[in-house]
Amino acid sequence: DAGITQSPRHKVTETGTPVTLRCHQTENHRYMYWYRQDPGHGLRLIHYSYGVKDTDKGEVSDGYSVSRSKTEDFLLTLESATSSQTSVYFCAIRRYGTSGDRGDTQYFGPGTRLTVL
Amino acid sequence: GQQLNQSPQSMFIQEGEDVSMNCTSSSIFNTWLWYKQDPGEGPVLLIALYKAGELTSNGRLTAQFGITRKDSFLNISASIPSDVGIYFCAGRPTNFGNEKLTFGTGTRLTIIP
Repeated sequence: DAGITQSPRHKVTETGTPVTLRCHQTENHRYMYWYRQDPGHGLRLIHYSYGVKDTDKGEVSDGYSVSRSKTEDFLLTLESATSSQTSVYFCAIRRYGTSGDRGDTQYFGPGTRLTVL
Repeated sequence: GQQLNQSPQSMFIQEGEDVSMNCTSSSIFNTWLWYKQDPGEGPVLLIALYKAGELTSNGRLTAQFGITRKDSFLNISASIPSDVGIYFCAGRPTNFGNEKLTFGTGTRLTIIP
């Protein structure tokens, strides 16, 4: 358990509406990530953050924006939701090891299931 | 982005059988991670590997970092009902930056009664 919560856990919305998903962590990790999971595609990186106000794009960032104003919170926003953004969204944190690369891993939150009608 | 080739895509086994799955890549990796995902939940880290040839166990699970650094294997011995789920590999290509992972598409394990 890496102390990650996501809210909401489920959401149904209509095409064209804005949606914000929240990821909250309690362990002060520097790196946070947003992924989406779709059948046949595995987990794909949307955006990630390497510190407060420091973010970068992943491989499927179009249509999404993120913000990180506090270490513990990483928000994912769909400015105008589309049906193609129906998916399960996972937040993750990067936990470093104590010796070089060893122990450098990612831990995931419980996910948010988003349906865009 | 690059995705890993994970096989098989699905497995149907009987309780008590051993299970093997693997991930391969065209790139050299410096880290391999194996996760399990239960329905409606997030992936849970099972085993992490950081060195070519490394063999690591976690209970009935054993994973290996291939010596070519382009593959990894996960074995489950004497499967039990709670092993049902989707298993994902993930890794860090050496040319990718340590902050990001690339993921396999998963192996779905089903136990036949």
